[in-house]
Amino acid sequence: DQQVKQNSPSLSVQEGRISILNCDYTNSMFDYFLWYKKYPAEGPTFLISISSIKDKNEDGRFTVFLNKSAKHLSLHIVPSQPGDSAVYFCAASSETSGTYKYIFGTGTRLKVLA
Amino acid sequence: DAGITQSPRHKVTETGTPVTLRCHQTENHRYMYWYRQDPGHGLRLIHYSYGVKDTDKGEVSDGYSVSRSKTEDFLLTLESATSSQTSVYFCAISAGNNLIPNTEAFFGQGTRLTVV
Repeated sequence: DQQVKQNSPSLSVQEGRISILNCDYTNSMFDYFLWYKKYPAEGPTFLISISSIKDKNEDGRFTVFLNKSAKHLSLHIVPSQPGDSAVYFCAASSETSGTYKYIFGTGTRLKVLA
Repeated sequence: DAGITQSPRHKVTETGTPVTLRCHQTENHRYMYWYRQDPGHGLRLIHYSYGVKDTDKGEVSDGYSVSRSKTEDFLLTLESATSSQTSVYFCAISAGNNLIPNTEAFFGQGTRLTVV
């Protein structure tokens, strides 16, 4: 049972336009959400996160929005650049019995066209 | 870059043989995790550790065991490798604790394992 879902396996966007990547989750106990970027043959790298007490977090060109009632988060990249082409994973975390673990989605491959 | 080293980076092994992957960190972080990445499945948690000798199962733990005898090392063992365990394995670390409950995880470069 997939607790974190990324329903779009791929997305193509023109350079300079906005990229919107979506993520849905089912576990209402999740209280911390993260986005990671992954290039081929490299480990995932942390991009941006948001706590469940917020509905928006911004870092430069990257903004994450959280809609708790809909159990949905999205990552906006504005403007998109060719170097943003990568696989993006969303992840969710919660405390269970005093420990923390991260559950990841299946990823969305973003292609930014020059 | 977070100090995480995975070894080996690549390995080919035969079905039925035991295999151990190593993750070494220099950050003194409390949490260490093992994930596998497969097409269509994203990153799936195998096992994780929340302290020396403290480990727990993740989403896909069957056929895997782990050990953490020192803060800096987390070993993943495939007791009898099968072709379905051909994958890319990632180790991750995070500093999370009661004072800093929400922190990001940092990943290693990955180990590509092929079971033939």
